[in-house]
Amino acid sequence: EIVLTQSPATLSLSPGERASLSCRASQSVGSYLAWYQQKPGQVPRLLIYNASNPAPGIPARFSGSGSGTDFTLTISSLEPEDFAVYYCLQRSRWPPGLTFGGGSKVEIK
Amino acid sequence: VQLQESGPGLVKPSETLSLTCTVSAGSIGSYYWSWIRQPPGKGLEWIGYVHSSGSTSYSPSLKSRVTISIDTSKKHFSLRLRSVTAADTALYYCAREGGPGAFDDWGQGTLVTVSS
Repeated sequence: EIVLTQSPATLSLSPGERASLSCRASQSVGSYLAWYQQKPGQVPRLLIYNASNPAPGIPARFSGSGSGTDFTLTISSLEPEDFAVYYCLQRSRWPPGLTFGGGSKVEIK
Repeated sequence: VQLQESGPGLVKPSETLSLTCTVSAGSIGSYYWSWIRQPPGKGLEWIGYVHSSGSTSYSPSLKSRVTISIDTSKKHFSLRLRSVTAADTALYYCAREGGPGAFDDWGQGTLVTVSS
């Protein structure tokens, strides 16, 4: 089973600052890596798929990069609505399955 | 696509948790459909998926207790989780995988509590 490790667990930043979140896989997942945002009491929202493709309607300040085992979600300039928990998710071909990372919380400093 | 979970909100320990996800306003064909859960205050956990063809894959940690099935004629898919314990208390989501790892449509989630 592929394990995804997210860091940091919590990131304390101010609005307008840049956020970089890391997701590291225990073995290569190619580019089948997605990022989700979840706010309290809400359903997770897809931000990025295939490592770097923004989902429809996602603001340009969100970007994803990486391949293989190391991936990064970057928020170029934090807006108040961006303070939330972020999860990465991998999709493996063999054995077929998916795994979420443990999540990274971006909180207001 | 709209997804709606349904099923009992309370299940007794050692019994079977059964949920159904109804798909509306869209096709159930040619997609992977997953169940995902989130214990209170914790992270997301993928449980498993079923493809419209009927093929399935499950999380290794739950594989021995889980069955996911699909009925394309009724446009719904179902989760059965056997021998539940308090650790299975969670918000259970159904979701459509629009592309590899891309869950682009989710149900609102249904809270299932395991308690006697």
